[in-house]
Amino acid sequence: RKEVEQDPGPFNVPEGATVAFNCTYSNSASQSFFWYRQDCRKEPKLLMSVYSSGNEDGRFTAQLNRASQYISLLIRDSKLSDSATYLCVVNIGGNTPLVFGKGTRLSVIA
Amino acid sequence: DAGVTQSPTHLIKTRGQQVTLRCSPKSGHDTVSWYQQALGQGPQFIFQYYEEEERQRGNFPDRFSGHQFPNYSSELNVNALLLGDSALYLCASSLGTQNYEQYFGPGTRLTVT
Repeated sequence: RKEVEQDPGPFNVPEGATVAFNCTYSNSASQSFFWYRQDCRKEPKLLMSVYSSGNEDGRFTAQLNRASQYISLLIRDSKLSDSATYLCVVNIGGNTPLVFGKGTRLSVIA
Repeated sequence: DAGVTQSPTHLIKTRGQQVTLRCSPKSGHDTVSWYQQALGQGPQFIFQYYEEEERQRGNFPDRFSGHQFPNYSSELNVNALLLGDSALYLCASSLGTQNYEQYFGPGTRLTVT
């Protein structure tokens, strides 16, 4: 079983749609969780950290379910500029490395 | 405030050759991590340098080696290149080794023919 698993997509959605990405992780000792965004042929950029209580940043909402070892990212009112690959990232804390999922590709269509 | 920079942007090498990639961390950062991202995959951790020492290493062979300089910049060396080494090589910098808030450079795209 891979350490971090994501639905590869692609997700093709119209502008204005709401889209949700799911991610599961295998290591129950995981401490930190992130969503990164990666545009085509560019570097990953931190979109948001994910906290146990859930957190929201504008149109983006991240949720964490530790019992199910599951992380989600919800994008509301999708924009064309949201088209990218979204990477789920997990860290077991301390000085251990970040572990990335393969990413979920989103295409928002006009 | 300079972000993470990497050089070169693109590189084409032949099987069996050696390559050196370079990274300068974001201003104020002292830790550099290297990742390999194959097409359609997420980044895979290669190793991390802090205080000029390799602190952590992922599941990569000894052909992959690195170095960190006193100014915190870093190099990634790959010997005896294989076709499978073709990938985007990403450098990420951070402050300390706790791996939070990593900032990535634009990457070096290596093609091995």
